Amino acid sequence: DQQVKQNSPSLSVQEGRISILNCDYTNSMFDYFLWYKKYPAEGPTFLISISSIKDKNEDGRFTVFLNKSAKHLSLHIVPSQPGDSAVYFCAASAGGFKTIFGAGTRLFVKA
Amino acid sequence: NAGVMQNPRHLVRRRGQEARLRCSPMKGHSHVYWYRQLPEEGLKFMVYLQKENIIDESGMPKERFSAEFPKEGPSILRIQQVVRGDSAAYFCASSPTGASGTDTQYFGPGTRLTVL
Repeated sequence: DQQVKQNSPSLSVQEGRISILNCDYTNSMFDYFLWYKKYPAEGPTFLISISSIKDKNEDGRFTVFLNKSAKHLSLHIVPSQPGDSAVYFCAASAGGFKTIFGAGTRLFVKA
Repeated sequence: NAGVMQNPRHLVRRRGQEARLRCSPMKGHSHVYWYRQLPEEGLKFMVYLQKENIIDESGMPKERFSAEFPKEGPSILRIQQVVRGDSAAYFCASSPTGASGTDTQYFGPGTRLTVL
């Protein structure tokens, strides 16, 4: 049972444009959501998070939006840069200790 | 402040052998998590440990897999009698308080296990 879904395995964006990565979840008990970025041969690195009491969190070029009624969150990167090319994982937890990760979306930012 | 360290980075084992993966958390972190990533898949939670305690092992296979985080030394993920299906990247993460949901986990570079 895939509780966190990233339906787009890959996304290609031109440098300077906006990248929008999407994530859907099924467990209504999730109350904390995170995005991680992963380069090849490295571990994931934390990018940005959002609590279920908020619907938006912004950090520089990165903004995460949460739509609880739709059980959907998205990560916006603007402007996109070639160095943003990586795999992005959406993750969620429900107040317990288990964080559930999505399968990831590979972002390609073309120069 | 060194990050999470994992060794070895690459491990090759033949079927039936044992694999030992080590994880040293970040300084000041007393909570460790292990994840497995199969090719083309996301990270799958395996186990969450504090010093000398297993808190949640619901993601770990019941047989052949075990984990520990002793009072001194690194956390160890042990896989006995490895099979080809165990081939994967194993990531360790640590956090300072373990108050999940609001506690960011910091990941190591992973150990890539290949079973021949």
